[in-house]
Amino acid sequence: QSALTQPPSASGSPGQSVTISCTGTSSDVGGYKYVSWYQQHPGKAPKLMIYEVSKRPSGVPDRFSGSKSGNTASLTVSGLQAEDEAHYYCSSYAGSNSLVFGGGTKLTVL
Amino acid sequence: QVQLVESGGGVVQPGRSLRLSCAASGFTFSTYAIHWVRQAPGKGLEWVAVIWYDGSNKYYVDSVKGRFTISRDNSKNTLYLQMNSLRAADTAVYYCAKDISKSFDGLDVWGQGTTVSVSS
Repeated sequence: QSALTQPPSASGSPGQSVTISCTGTSSDVGGYKYVSWYQQHPGKAPKLMIYEVSKRPSGVPDRFSGSKSGNTASLTVSGLQAEDEAHYYCSSYAGSNSLVFGGGTKLTVL
Repeated sequence: QVQLVESGGGVVQPGRSLRLSCAASGFTFSTYAIHWVRQAPGKGLEWVAVIWYDGSNKYYVDSVKGRFTISRDNSKNTLYLQMNSLRAADTAVYYCAKDISKSFDGLDVWGQGTTVSVSS
């Protein structure tokens, strides 16, 4: 149950696109379609942004998209807005009825 | 509206016990798996445990196995986490979160969290 690997930070200017990676192994990210992404603002609970690799829950803007290739999943935020500045966490089903999160990425809107 | 509200956090000495509760409203509680996720101060998210919609299956992260017990009372729309033999490393904000579907599909509803501090 090792944590998934995310870059500690990412940044972009308003209107630009930024992609955050989430690297695991064939036992988690690469082995299942159950990859999710969460947004967390300071002092707030996490919010589900993407589930099952690329599905968006109702109410999440289509500026947020997810994908996966091999053992790496990615979250892309297009048309960056100031309110997108937050921490982002990926998670994946890791087999044996367990879930693992990434270490988190702080997204800064310049 | 769909809501989860945690309670029961506090300051406790190492080795002691604490029971967290999570009250659900606005959805059919008995049809969804529910998770506990924790976040140590200044750190990332860590999955703790999950319980199936009917309580038939329960799974834990290795670090809490044998010390924590997840349970639910569907008649009261409430989830619990019994935490025994607490350690300093258990200090965190504890969130309950509803699965969007069956078990590990994604956590779409989160509570506001309850803080547990283990200190002598």
